[in-house]
Amino acid sequence: AQSVTQLGSHVSVSEGALVLLRCNYSSSVPPYLFWYVQYPNQGLQLLLKYTSAATLVKGINGFEAEFKKSETSFHLTKPSAHMSDAAEYFCAVSDAKLENQGGKLIFGQGTELSVKP
Amino acid sequence: GAGVSQSPSNKVTEKGKDVELRCDPISGHTALYWYRQSLGQGLEFLIYFQGNSAPDKSGLPSDRFSAERTGGSVSTLTIQRTQQEDSAVYLCASSWDNQNYGYTFGSGTRLTVV
Repeated sequence: AQSVTQLGSHVSVSEGALVLLRCNYSSSVPPYLFWYVQYPNQGLQLLLKYTSAATLVKGINGFEAEFKKSETSFHLTKPSAHMSDAAEYFCAVSDAKLENQGGKLIFGQGTELSVKP
Repeated sequence: GAGVSQSPSNKVTEKGKDVELRCDPISGHTALYWYRQSLGQGLEFLIYFQGNSAPDKSGLPSDRFSAERTGGSVSTLTIQRTQQEDSAVYLCASSWDNQNYGYTFGSGTRLTVV
C-alpha cells in the first residue's frame, strides 16, 4: 500500500532563504506524486506533480521538486522564500497503478511553513 | 463550472441531527473524492467515485456516513446522527481518470457539531 511521510510538521525560514520541505513515499508501483499548498481557510491548490516524465518537476510560484527513486523522496524546494509562501504544504501519492487510471490520493500529515521577515 | 463547488461553506448543527454536504465537480470529470480534514488528523480519505464503477468506500469511518453521486456529476455526503467528533472541514475533489491532470479541490465545507 502506498504511504507518504513528511518530515517536520513545522518549518520556519527567513524571507529570501531556501525552502526545503521533505517528503518520502512508499509505493509498490511506480508512484504518482503531488505537492499541494493550502492557504488559511482555503482549499488545496496543486503546486506540482510527478507522473514518470522528467524527475525534476517545476511548479507554480517558483517551487520545484525532484523525484529520487533511490531515496524514495520527493522533496519540495524554492530558492528564495517570500512572505506569501507561508501556508501548509501537503505531499501526496496516488494509488493508481497506471498513468491513465484514476486513484485516490494518500496524503502526508502536512508541513506548516512560516516565513520570517 | 470552472472549479469544484461545495455547499454550504459553513454548517453548524446540533448533535444527533443529520447533515448533507454537496459537491459539484468540474464538468466532465469522471472521478470524485471526499476527504475530511480535522486538527491533528491531516487529510483523511473518505470515499471515491470512479465513473460507473462501484465506489471505494474504504475510508468511511462509520455507517453513519454515506455518499452518493447522481448522474455521474453532483455528489452528496450525508452524515447521520452527527457527533462532536464529526466536526471538521469536508473537502471534495474531482479529476479525470489520468494522473497527468491532477486533482482539483473545492474550498470545503466547515462542519461544526454543537
